[in-house]
Order: sequence, then C-alpha cells, then structure tokens
Amino acid sequence: GAVVSQHPSRVICKSGTSVKIECRSLDFQATTMFWYRQFPKQSLMLMATSNEGSKATYEQGVEKDKFLINHASLTLSTLTVTSAHPEDSSFYICSARDQRLTNEKLFFGSGTQLSVL
Amino acid sequence: SQQGEEDPQALSIQEGENATMNCSYKTSINNLQWYRQNSGRGLVHLILIRSNEREKHSGRLRVTLDTSKKSSSLLITASRAADTASYFCATSQAGTALIFGKGTTLSVSS
Repeated sequence: GAVVSQHPSRVICKSGTSVKIECRSLDFQATTMFWYRQFPKQSLMLMATSNEGSKATYEQGVEKDKFLINHASLTLSTLTVTSAHPEDSSFYICSARDQRLTNEKLFFGSGTQLSVL
Repeated sequence: SQQGEEDPQALSIQEGENATMNCSYKTSINNLQWYRQNSGRGLVHLILIRSNEREKHSGRLRVTLDTSKKSSSLLITASRAADTASYFCATSQAGTALIFGKGTTLSVSS
C-alpha cells in the first residue's frame, strides 16, 4: 500500500527556535496533504491543507505565520513551526491521499513528537 | 474542528469479550473511517464504510453506519490484549480532509 514518510519522529528544541517537519509520499503523488496536531489524550485536530504549488489553507485559529507550510513538489510537504514555544509541544502528523485510488482513504505518516523546552 | 462525539470515552473489558464503540457526526459525509492509535504512535486504518453502505466486516471488526441518525458503531469481537489502544472515527466529504471524533480509549486486560 501507499506509504507516507514523516521526519523527524521526535524533536526537542529550545524555546524561540524553529523546527521543520517533512512529510513525503514515497510511492505516489499527492497534490494535497493534510497536517494534524494532537495534544496528549486528545484527538487529532486538522491544522491545514497543503496544496502543491499554491498556498496552504489553514483552519480557523491556526496561525499561518506561526506554522509555515510549503508543498513544493508532488511528493513533499513541510511544516515549519516558527519561534516555537512550550505550548507548541504536541504530536504533529501528516497525511496524504493517493489520487490513483478511487476510495477516500488517507495514508498517515508516523508522526512527530515536538517538545519545546 | 471536530465532527462529533464518540462514546464511551473509555472502555475496559476482559480478553474474549466484545467491545462496542459508537460515533456520532454532524454533517453529511462521503464516507466514515475508523482508525486505531497505540499510545504515542501513528494511526492504523481499520475500515472504511461509504455513505451508501450500512454494514461492513473485516476480520473481528464490524462497522455499522446509520446516516439517518448520523452515527456509526465499531464492534470488536473476541477482544485481545493487543487491541488495547485508542479508536477514532473520522469522516470526510469528497476530496476533503478527515475530521476526527474525540476517540475511545479501549483497555483489554488478560
């Protein structure tokens, strides 16, 4: 089946630094990828929809200048958490849809646990 | 945004028993999917049921969908300790992102 690779799996950084998370579709092209955030013991919340070659669409309450999304190719989307603060500590997970498939199944990366000190 | 509620929020059962989780949603949907998440890890896709389907089976899993009530249920039969995880339902409309429910934490003790 389709594979989505997400790196890094875990990152610890100091407050004020920026962190980049990569999401790659390994064996399919994805014009659209989705970024989610999950706080401990909570569900996944959609942050933004990443569109190849155009600006990302952010959900209400998500700061686009804080969470920079770049989808420069059909297989790679990146999420950069700029000037990270402890409240940004969370589990970030990306997903993509294989448009060759007729179903609506999304493939998920393995997630990135961000800890901001 | 979240689509709806799952109940129960937490469920504790013994191995061999059946586990039933329910999910309600708010808007019209194209399909409904169930995912499992082990603690601190990524998501595992369990089953997808389309809006024109009422019931679907996959191994020990049985999913029902009632679009008139905007609800779905996931039944895990003959549960095992390895089924211990969080279970989420998620809905989407055609081509859109999945919107997840709040999840049910299942604990199966041996």
